[in-house]
Amino acid sequence: QKEVEQDPGPLSVPEGAIVSLNCTYSNSAFQYFMWYRQYSRKGPELLMYTYSSGNKEDGRFTAQVDKSSKYISLFIRDSQPSDSATYLCAMSASGGGSNYKLTFGKGTLLTVNP
Amino acid sequence: GAVVSQHPSRVICKSGTSVKIECRSLDFQATTMFWYRQFPKQSLMLMATSNEGSKATYEQGVEKDKFLINHASLTLSTLTVTSAHPEDSSFYICSAISGGADTEAFFGQGTRLTVV
Repeated sequence: QKEVEQDPGPLSVPEGAIVSLNCTYSNSAFQYFMWYRQYSRKGPELLMYTYSSGNKEDGRFTAQVDKSSKYISLFIRDSQPSDSATYLCAMSASGGGSNYKLTFGKGTLLTVNP
Repeated sequence: GAVVSQHPSRVICKSGTSVKIECRSLDFQATTMFWYRQFPKQSLMLMATSNEGSKATYEQGVEKDKFLINHASLTLSTLTVTSAHPEDSSFYICSAISGGADTEAFFGQGTRLTVV
């Protein structure tokens, strides 16, 4: 079993739809959970950062972490064509320093159609 | 956010030659830099962690003599793929952090290496 599982998609939705992306993981040591957005031929950029369980909202984006189920989600409300990208979940047991090693999911390719 | 610049963005080299990839933090001092590799339809996989002025720490299965990492300053780390072979063709990407707890990792734009 891989440490982090993420459905690679592709996922295609109409503009304005609510998008739900998720990852499951097996390593109970993970404490920090992140979602990155990666446009084609670009490096990942951090979207959301959550420590431990709970919800976090930032504009149209909501991240949820359920450590008891080892399941994390990213919701995008009122999706826009500019949201079309690959979304990567990432996790770490440490919040900083040399041990800040990220374990990534494969990424989900999202297309929002106008 | 902070900027990490990676160069080159794309390189094609002949089998048996060496290729150097640079990763620079442009507006902050990076105490630690990480090198990742991504094969098609696979996750970004950590290769090694480097701290300024120290030897890099390599992940299991990554050959340290093949992937030479130098982190000579707080703003520059280099990855040299020595005696490259076609199976080394991949997307290589660096990230940098400035240190401390709850810190964000900033990524370069990646380097697409093709070995022919």
